[in-house]
Amino acid sequence: GAGVSQSPSNKVTEKGKDVELRCDPISGHTALYWYRQRLGQGLEFLIYFQGNSAPDKSGLPSDRFSAERTGESVSTLTIQRTQQEDSAVYLCASSLSVVVASGRALSNNEQFFGPGTRLTVL
Amino acid sequence: AQTVTQSQPEMSVQEAETVTLSCTYDTSENNYYLFWYKQPPSRQMILVIRQEAYKQQNATENRFSVNFQKAAKSFSLKISDSQLGDTAMYFCAFMNGDNNNDMRFGAGTRLTVKP
Repeated sequence: GAGVSQSPSNKVTEKGKDVELRCDPISGHTALYWYRQRLGQGLEFLIYFQGNSAPDKSGLPSDRFSAERTGESVSTLTIQRTQQEDSAVYLCASSLSVVVASGRALSNNEQFFGPGTRLTVL
Repeated sequence: AQTVTQSQPEMSVQEAETVTLSCTYDTSENNYYLFWYKQPPSRQMILVIRQEAYKQQNATENRFSVNFQKAAKSFSLKISDSQLGDTAMYFCAFMNGDNNNDMRFGAGTRLTVKP
């Protein structure tokens, strides 16, 4: 029973470069979330996946940010042309979902978090 | 939109004593969940306790308990018999029960337990 894993744990990059952050959710968890946590601040919602689709991308701060998920498993968060303001810890979380009779998917409400990737843009 | 407010950026408590962290939230929803997460220096977010809004009874997990005041939209966390390992950032969070991707976190309270 491995938990949520993220890689790399730390990433230092130069301004203007692209970075890819990876999240491996708990096996069987169909809901996956990405958050950004700036130094000393709370979590800022970025994007949510239900299966491989992302019904809510409203938190992505700009079009330089994108995310995808394949096989209802691994997700990658890509930041293009990184800026110094992108420096933060990026946290991934996953949770179970239960599809109810109406067809709506609801999680069992507990999100399990990975250890995060600390991104530093020089 | 739901907002979560933690008005205490930092708190400290002596080992073995009791401390209460406050949290208020704003919502027009009736179906929701509230959480307290702990984030130690390792960065790993750990669920401490959760409360379903439809339950009147306050949730309790060992030394951790909440005071859920639905009408006042208040959800405070009480830590009894504080231990050095309780030193961490604590985040209060709100999840919409009808739209589980809608989860909001407070800015956090940094708790230091002093020996």
